[in-house]
Amino acid sequence: DAGVTQSPTHLIKTRGQQVTLRCSPISGHKSVSWYQQVLGQGPQFIFQYYEKEERGRGNFPDRFSARQFPNYSSELNVNALLLGDSALYLCASSLATSGQMNEQFFGPGTRLTVL
Amino acid sequence: AQTVTQSQPEMSVQEAETVTLSCTYDTSENNYYLFWYKQPPSRQMILVIRQEAYKQQNATENRFSVNFQKAAKSFSLKISDSQLGDTAMYFCAFTFTNFGNEKLTFGTGTRLTIIP
Repeated sequence: DAGVTQSPTHLIKTRGQQVTLRCSPISGHKSVSWYQQVLGQGPQFIFQYYEKEERGRGNFPDRFSARQFPNYSSELNVNALLLGDSALYLCASSLATSGQMNEQFFGPGTRLTVL
Repeated sequence: AQTVTQSQPEMSVQEAETVTLSCTYDTSENNYYLFWYKQPPSRQMILVIRQEAYKQQNATENRFSVNFQKAAKSFSLKISDSQLGDTAMYFCAFTFTNFGNEKLTFGTGTRLTIIP
């Protein structure tokens, strides 16, 4: 089975632009989470979606938004890009089985560079 | 708020030796999970080992084991018989058991280099 996939792999934008990142979870996984990993730091939680509903939101400005589709894939949108948004954006999926702490499987990430 | 601290930014060890990576965390929760993730250069992050806070027995996965000290809020990773493929960034992570909320809080990572 394919793992978590993300597109695009790399992206270069300029300040003020908008960007959309995409994630396809492992087949059967209903939960998708997004993380931002700035160079030299650990990933920071942005959002979690489960069954198309937002289940968690990290400490990020409203310029960041996300959604989950009926097939459980997800998009992360960032508006009015700032230089500080340059990072590796990771997507993770899990089964989200009731009553269990499910392993999260990470995708390869999208490297966003803001010039 | 939960915090995770990794005080060793970089470590290196000779192949076949044993190395221990440190992690401390702070939380007021009683039920939670701790993880070690491995992020090889330019490759995907993968789970190495996990520990449930309610379990007193330390988790082991082949050459990887943890030393979980709940009272001290310490969670170290021991890698035995280290191999070249163990070269990677290692992140300690925490989540509390709240079904539906799978937020992971990560430390800043330890860059481990295995020397041939």
